[in-house]
Amino acid sequence: DGGITQSPKYLFRKEGQNVTLSCEQNLNHDAMYWYRQDPGQGLRLIYYSQIVNDFQKGDIAEGYSVSREKKESFPLTVTSAQKNPTAFYLCASSIPSGSYNEQFFGPGTRLTVL
Amino acid sequence: AQSVSQHNHHVILSEAASLELGCNYSYGGTVNLFWYVQYPGQHLQLLLKYFSGDPLVKGIKGFEAEFIKSKFSFNLRKPSVQWSDTAEYFCAVRAAGNKLTFGGGTRVLVKP
Repeated sequence: DGGITQSPKYLFRKEGQNVTLSCEQNLNHDAMYWYRQDPGQGLRLIYYSQIVNDFQKGDIAEGYSVSREKKESFPLTVTSAQKNPTAFYLCASSIPSGSYNEQFFGPGTRLTVL
Repeated sequence: AQSVSQHNHHVILSEAASLELGCNYSYGGTVNLFWYVQYPGQHLQLLLKYFSGDPLVKGIKGFEAEFIKSKFSFNLRKPSVQWSDTAEYFCAVRAAGNKLTFGGGTRVLVKP
C-alpha cells in the first residue's frame, strides 16, 4: 500500500525544546516537501528537497531544519528558534521532472508547544 | 513573488445548492493550477488540475474548474453539492520549478 506516513499524529512539547517530525514515503518519489498549515493562511512551504542529500529553503524556513539522507525519508526538526511552532505540519512528495507534478500529501502532524 | 487569493474564507450552503469558489493568482507567465480538498480527518487530496489545453477541467466527485487566463482566475464549481462535500478547499499554483503556492483555503459547510 503506497503512500506517505507521518508520525506521530499529535505531538506535545515544552517551549524551548527541539522536536523532530517524521515523514516517510514509499512512492519512489524524488521530491519531498514540508508545509505548515495555519487557519486562514493555507499551506506555506518550509523546506523542500528535489533529490537525496540536497534541500532548499521554502518561504518560512527560519527556526526549522531538515535532512535528506535517504530517498524515502525527510524529517523536519522544529527548533527552539521557531517563534510560533504550534501548527499542523504536512509532508508531501512528488515526481519532480516533467509536466506531471501532482504532490501527494501525508496525514499530517499536529504540534502543540506548551 | 507569486500569490494566490481565495476570496471566501467560509461558505455555508444547503444540499443541492450550486457551489463556486474563487481563486485568483498573481503571475504573468505559464502556470499549472490545482485544486486540493481536505475532508475532515483525511489527507489533503487532489480534486483537479490544469496544465494546458481545454480551460474547462473536470475533476473527481463532479467538480470542475475553469481557467480564465485574462482574469488570472481558476474558479472551482459544482452544480449540486452534497453533505459529503463539507471540507476545506485549497487552490494552488505552480509557476516555476516544482514549488506550489497555496491560497488561504475556503471552508465549505453543506447543511443536510
